Amino acid sequence: DTAVSQTPKYLVTQMGNDKSIKCEQNLGHDTMYWYKQDSKKFLKIMFSYNNKELIINETVPNRFSPKSPDKAHLNLHINSLELGDSAVYFCASRDEGLKAFFGQGTRLTVV
Amino acid sequence: AQSVTQPDIHITVSEGASLELRCNYSYGATPYLFWYVQSPGQGLQLLLKYFSGDTLVQGIKGFEAEFKRSQSSFNLRKPSVHWSDAAEYFCAVGGITGGGNKLTFGTGTQLKVEL
Repeated sequence: DTAVSQTPKYLVTQMGNDKSIKCEQNLGHDTMYWYKQDSKKFLKIMFSYNNKELIINETVPNRFSPKSPDKAHLNLHINSLELGDSAVYFCASRDEGLKAFFGQGTRLTVV
Repeated sequence: AQSVTQPDIHITVSEGASLELRCNYSYGATPYLFWYVQSPGQGLQLLLKYFSGDTLVQGIKGFEAEFKRSQSSFNLRKPSVHWSDAAEYFCAVGGITGGGNKLTFGTGTQLKVEL
């Protein structure tokens, strides 16, 4: 039983394309996040949602648009992909005690 | 602003040796502190967390960490390292504020274990 699942696990696409990454959690948590991990393994928060409402947007380009149809899902849509968007994107959900549960990551490669 | 510093980018230890990974944080209120481990190609797994109370916290896989407020540190330790402990380790600080809540991660320490 996967707690936080992301699809796809790997995504290779050309510059200028639009792509989406899906995330679902079955833990009943209200809060979900998207993090970006760059090639140097640095993890940076992108967005935080609480019960479908955007809480944190960490100066992410507006080509990135999260969407939360319900509190169990937080999808990430990226328009006009650029080379610099290549990274591993992690979805996470958080319990009441700030314990975060991470998905396996989506490795995005823009060519 | 909250921040985390992990001064050691790489650490190599021999199997069976003791381990200490350093973490210093900056946070304006009482911090919530975490250590996560990331194995190659995997997501992050929580090793342990500190919220309040006893400053020495025990985690999974034989890890422990000590919160020292005076030093703004939360160093991770293990008495005897196993080859399977080779991974990337991340310290994180978080809290609940009026602007929301988030975890801020350090840059990670890559642990290599020599057999």
